[in-house]
Amino acid sequence: QSALTQPPSASGSPGQSVTISCTGTSSDVGGYNYVSWYQQHPGKAPKLMIYEVSKRPSGVPDRFSGSKSGNTASLTVSGLQAEDEADYYCSSYAGSNNFDVFGTGTKVTVL
Amino acid sequence: EVQLVQSGAEVKKPGESLKISCKGSGYSFTSYWIGWVRQMPGKGLEWMGIIYPGDSDTRYSPSFQGQVTISADKSISTAYLQWSSLKASDTAMYYCASYSSSWECFDYWGQGTLVTVSS
Repeated sequence: QSALTQPPSASGSPGQSVTISCTGTSSDVGGYNYVSWYQQHPGKAPKLMIYEVSKRPSGVPDRFSGSKSGNTASLTVSGLQAEDEADYYCSSYAGSNNFDVFGTGTKVTVL
Repeated sequence: EVQLVQSGAEVKKPGESLKISCKGSGYSFTSYWIGWVRQMPGKGLEWMGIIYPGDSDTRYSPSFQGQVTISADKSISTAYLQWSSLKASDTAMYYCASYSSSWECFDYWGQGTLVTVSS
């Protein structure tokens, strides 16, 4: 099973929005509403930001939102702040007889 | 508060064995899957496998099946990742994380264990 495809980089100025795509197949992203997104700052452990495509765990700012269309999921960060500069990874469930898969990762830069 | 605390950094030689640990607290350890994720230097996250400590049901990604062993000791709320013969290519940061079977994702993460394999 191949990694989900993400753009290597994305950027935006403070206050602007940035959207990251995550493309899979009908066997993972397109087949289930179980796409999650993780934020990882340098030297730190990943942190769950979005689960079940568009839901936010407690404590995650509502500037972070998720969506999905077909085999592609997206993460949008609105009102960019300096602390949003990090790597972001998507992940998708792929069935009970399979294993989950991560995306290739996107480095978000706040200009 | 859910906490996953991993064992410290390791430096090993090729061919040596290694077992790293991840101790869970603040939740029912036997009721949630716990998994391992590899991150090679400068690279992305890779899903290795998960274990259900309640009955030791274990699932591996094909890429890691036969390369590592995932286990758990529910009496001390600790999960393990083990190698029998390390290779230089095993050099990486390894994270443990609790896996929510409701949300189908890793919801809480350990701080990571850096494994360096070098002659």
